Amino acid sequence: EAQVTQNPRYLITVTGKKLTVTCSQNMNHEYMSWYRQDPGLGLRQIYYSMNVEVTDKGDVPEGYKVSRKEKRNFPLILESPSPNQTSLYFCASSLDLAGGDTQYFGPGTRLTVL
Amino acid sequence: GQQVMQIPQYQHVQEGEDFTTYCNSSTTLSNIQWYKQRPGGHPVFLIQLVKSGEVKKQKRLTFQFGEAKKNSSLHITATQTTDVGTYFCAGERWGSARQLTFGSGTQLTVLP
Repeated sequence: EAQVTQNPRYLITVTGKKLTVTCSQNMNHEYMSWYRQDPGLGLRQIYYSMNVEVTDKGDVPEGYKVSRKEKRNFPLILESPSPNQTSLYFCASSLDLAGGDTQYFGPGTRLTVL
Repeated sequence: GQQVMQIPQYQHVQEGEDFTTYCNSSTTLSNIQWYKQRPGGHPVFLIQLVKSGEVKKQKRLTFQFGEAKKNSSLHITATQTTDVGTYFCAGERWGSARQLTFGSGTQLTVLP
């Protein structure tokens, strides 16, 4: 079954404690992306990657890091989380974003930073 | 930076009525995508429009991309309760190499 998986699904942490949210896809997609969703703001792109070792900033990259060492995995790293990073996070993947290909979203990770 | 404005923010309709949501970009887009998100769920890709003036239909849903490639609309004919959810547009700015900017979404409620 084609899918994007994220872990953990829920996380409560404290300010400054480094965390990683994993994202994995089993569709051999080249394009992967991270978004955060906040009420009234829709989805905002954090980082995206067009292939292995190729990453670029989205609209709201501050406070986040990503890596793309393997095609299937695209972890999101918060080196020093702060309360304003409390949000719902989605990972997504697509064969090629501009080719009309479907962008598949993971189930989401709800993060609370105290 | 690029902005994508989407209106209305909320829409309540009686089942059987039509519904339209509009997106406007501050910059020319290379393409625009539409997504639907059910309450508590994740966004689901509906369609991508690429060509100026393009119109695409999926059953009761009609998608349009403006001639200037700066605006788009989604129209649902004869809404059903299964249409409930939030509809988002997302634009890829021309020359931005796959960076996507989402509109803030239109939350549709369909009253039976």
